[in-house]
This record gives sequence, structure tokens and C-alpha cells, in this order.
Amino acid sequence: EVQLLESGGGLVQPGGSLRLSCAASGFTFSSYAMNWVRQAPGKGLEWVSTISGSGGGAYYADFVKGRFTTSRDNAKNTLFLQMKSLRAEDTAVYFCAKDIITANSRAFDIWGQGTMVTVST
Amino acid sequence: SYVLTQPPSVSVAPGQTARITCGGNNIATKIVNWYQQKPGQAPVLVVYDDSDRPSGIPERFSGSNSGNTGTLTISRVEVGDEADYYCQVWDSTSDHLPLFGGGTKLTVL
Repeated sequence: EVQLLESGGGLVQPGGSLRLSCAASGFTFSSYAMNWVRQAPGKGLEWVSTISGSGGGAYYADFVKGRFTTSRDNAKNTLFLQMKSLRAEDTAVYFCAKDIITANSRAFDIWGQGTMVTVST
Repeated sequence: SYVLTQPPSVSVAPGQTARITCGGNNIATKIVNWYQQKPGQAPVLVVYDDSDRPSGIPERFSGSNSGNTGTLTISRVEVGDEADYYCQVWDSTSDHLPLFGGGTKLTVL
């Protein structure tokens, strides 16, 4: 069964750091780009970052550039999101999502259950 | 940057047809994906490439894309379809990065 399992969320003070993990199983992890998408409480989905299957390329939303770093360990089938200089507005559930190449484009076909990050004093 | 506009809410009676729209400038030139999210759960892909369904998604879910509007149509709506629905495109004005609409809450009366 294809599965994604996030971990690492929690309560952190403004300016602090946190590293999220996403453990993948049931598919050839290195063959797929992976994504982080977040959802603030009561709000909609917001794309955060994408990393290529090899890990050689990573892309970020403007609001996290310079503060968040996405990486992956293909030997351990794990995706990471290193977050620093956290702000209250980063408070959200963070989902990892598997990328799929479709006939005409791409889509996010498998999502993890999410991990909550709360930035507060 | 590109903007996707969804109605905040849509209501429909069981058995009827629900249409959820996703507005964007000349959106017909883009590929639209749709995701369903039930409370406390992760999103689920229900339509991709404007109108294709992943395996396991009922035929009641269909999509179309024309002019300035993409549409998710749910036929014979069931109580279990009550959820938030998000459209998503790849923003060619921003390095083809993914962009989500604001979401639509489907209420089954």
C-alpha cells in the first residue's frame, strides 16, 4: 500500500526551528518528485515546496524562501522539511504529497495525514 | 501572479447535481486538478487533467474546463460527498509552480 507518514510537528517559539519528516512506503520513492503543502487552521491549501526525485532541484513558495529547506534521503525513503526563523503565520498542518506525471501535466496523487506545527510563545 | 477564484460554499440536496467552479483568466489554457478534503483528513485527488478520474473515484465525479472557468461536477450527490473541494493549476506566470484555489465547502442538505 502506498503510504506517506509525516512526523516532527509540535510547538515552537517564534524565531525557532523545526524539522519535519515524511516516511514513504509502497512505491519507488526516488522516482517521484515530492511536495510539502500546508493548511493554516480554518484556511485553504497552500503549496510550500517541491523537490525532484533525485533531490537535485528544490523549489519554494516566496513566503518560505531563505527560511525553509526541503531535502530527501532516497536510501531511507524519507522527505524532510527544515524550517527556521519560524513565524506565527507558519502555524499550519503540513502535508507531504507525492507527485505524479499525468498524460497532460502533474498532480498530487497521494497525501500524508499531516503534522501540526504551532508557532507561539 | 495568477489567481484562482472558487465560491466559498455550494449547497445541494442528496441525489441532485453539484457544480463547483474555479475561475481564472483563460484557465482553459491550463490543466486543472481537483481535490476533496473531508474534515480532519488529508486531501484526495478526485479529478486530474481537467476531466480524468483516478482509480477508485466514482464516475459521479467529473470535470471540465473552458474559457475562464474550470468545473467539478458531482452527480447524484451523496451525504458522504460533503467536504471541501480545491482546484489546482500550475502557474505558468510563476515558474509553473502549483497554485490552489481558495476552496469550496460543499454542503449536502
